[in-house]
Amino acid sequence: AQKVTQAQTEISVVEKEDVTLDCVYETRDTTYYLFWYKQPPSGELVFLIRRNSFDEQNEISGRYSWNFQKSTSSFNFTITASQVVDSAVYFCALSEDGSGGYQKVTFGIGTKLQVIP
Amino acid sequence: NAGVMQNPRHLVRRRGQEARLRCSPMKGHSHVYWYRQLPEEGLKFMVYLQKENIIDESGMPKERFSAEFPKEGPSILRIQQVVRGDSAAYFCASSPAGRFNQPQHFGDGTRLSIL
Repeated sequence: AQKVTQAQTEISVVEKEDVTLDCVYETRDTTYYLFWYKQPPSGELVFLIRRNSFDEQNEISGRYSWNFQKSTSSFNFTITASQVVDSAVYFCALSEDGSGGYQKVTFGIGTKLQVIP
Repeated sequence: NAGVMQNPRHLVRRRGQEARLRCSPMKGHSHVYWYRQLPEEGLKFMVYLQKENIIDESGMPKERFSAEFPKEGPSILRIQQVVRGDSAAYFCASSPAGRFNQPQHFGDGTRLSIL
C-alpha cells in the first residue's frame, strides 16, 4: 500500500526566511508520480509540481525548489525568502497504478505553514 | 482551478437531510474522482468513476453515500440522511484517461456543513 508522510504538521517562520517542507513516501511500484499542492485559506487546491519517479533532477521555479531523492524516498519542498502569501497548507501526494490499471492518489496530512511578517 | 467545476461551493444541511454535490469535469475528460477532506486532514480517496460506471468505490462509506456519472450531465455525489461527521470539504478531480500518468485536475471543492 502506498503511504505519504508529512511529519511537520505546523511550521512558523518569519518573512524572508527559507523553509523546507518534508515529504517521505512508501510505494512498491517502480513507476509513480509525486505531487505538491498548496491549499490557501480560501480552500482551493493549487497544483505546484508533478514529478515522475524516473526523473530525479531537482527543480526550481522562482522561490520554490524541490529535492527528489529516491534513495531516501523523499520529495522535499523548499521556499526561499518566504512571504506572507506563502501561508497555506501544503500537501504532498503520490500517484501509482491502481490494481485495475488506473491511478490512485494518496495525500499526506499536510503541513500548515505560517509566515509571520 | 480552471476547468473542473464543482457546485455548490458551500452547502449547509440539517441532520437527516440529503446533500447532492455536483462535479462537471474538464472538457474532454471522462474520468472523475471524488475525495473527502475532513477538518485538519489530508484528502482521502472516495470513488473513481468513468461515464456510467463506478470503477472503484473502496474509499466510500458503505451506507448513505452514493456516486454516479451519467452519460449526460455532471457527476453527482449523494449523501443521504447526513450526520455531523459528514461535515467536510469534498473535492472532485478529472482526467482524460484513467492511467496513472494522466494528471488529475481538481475543482475548488464543496464545503459541506451539517447543522
